[in-house]
Amino acid sequence: GIQVEQSPPDLILQEGANSTLRCNFSDSVNNLQWFHQNPWGQLINLFYIPSGTKQNGRLSATTVATERYSLLYISSSQTTDSGVYFCAVGWDSNYQLIWGAGTKLIIKP
Amino acid sequence: DSGVTQTPKHLITATGQRVTLRCSPRSGDLSVYWYQQSLDQGLQFLIQYYNGEERAKGNILERFSAQQFPDLHSELNLSSLELGDSALYFCASSVLAAGPGGGNYGYTFGSGTRLTVV
Repeated sequence: GIQVEQSPPDLILQEGANSTLRCNFSDSVNNLQWFHQNPWGQLINLFYIPSGTKQNGRLSATTVATERYSLLYISSSQTTDSGVYFCAVGWDSNYQLIWGAGTKLIIKP
Repeated sequence: DSGVTQTPKHLITATGQRVTLRCSPRSGDLSVYWYQQSLDQGLQFLIQYYNGEERAKGNILERFSAQQFPDLHSELNLSSLELGDSALYFCASSVLAAGPGGGNYGYTFGSGTRLTVV
């Protein structure tokens, strides 16, 4: 089945720094989503981005479907950005999502 | 508050027991999804219901079952519990009749039920 790899597995940054999280996938997908799980366990859908680029405030994401990767950018990091960022992919919107192992981000004040 | 309510938040039970987890979807959402997250891992899709009917099934064990009621709340029943069933169980909902990929509107997740089997 499809494999999803996220890198780096862990990232520690100072407040105000920028970061780039990567998601590689092993097969063609037309459903890709980024999620944030905060330190209390709450999961929030950040982006639905099977291709192209989207921006939401300090966060943006780019997916290059032909090269099978997606990037999540976080600018001017804040301590509230801490948590685990998951990438999840699927073959289409009606198929189950396959989740990566996540990138654990710690933002220090 | 995401609008998706899961109860209980924490549950500790013994091996061999049976438990029921409950989920109330966000108002207006017809689809409910159940996911399992074991320690330090990503989420595993278990099952999806849409407007009372099973829509898609993932890696759900035969010891587990679920249903969605006419008022759209859903219950996940876990029986003959084993130590390895300890995990966070998430419920999510979406407004559309999307499959487990959630369509292009994504999901709204509840805060989860942390199940510990001892």
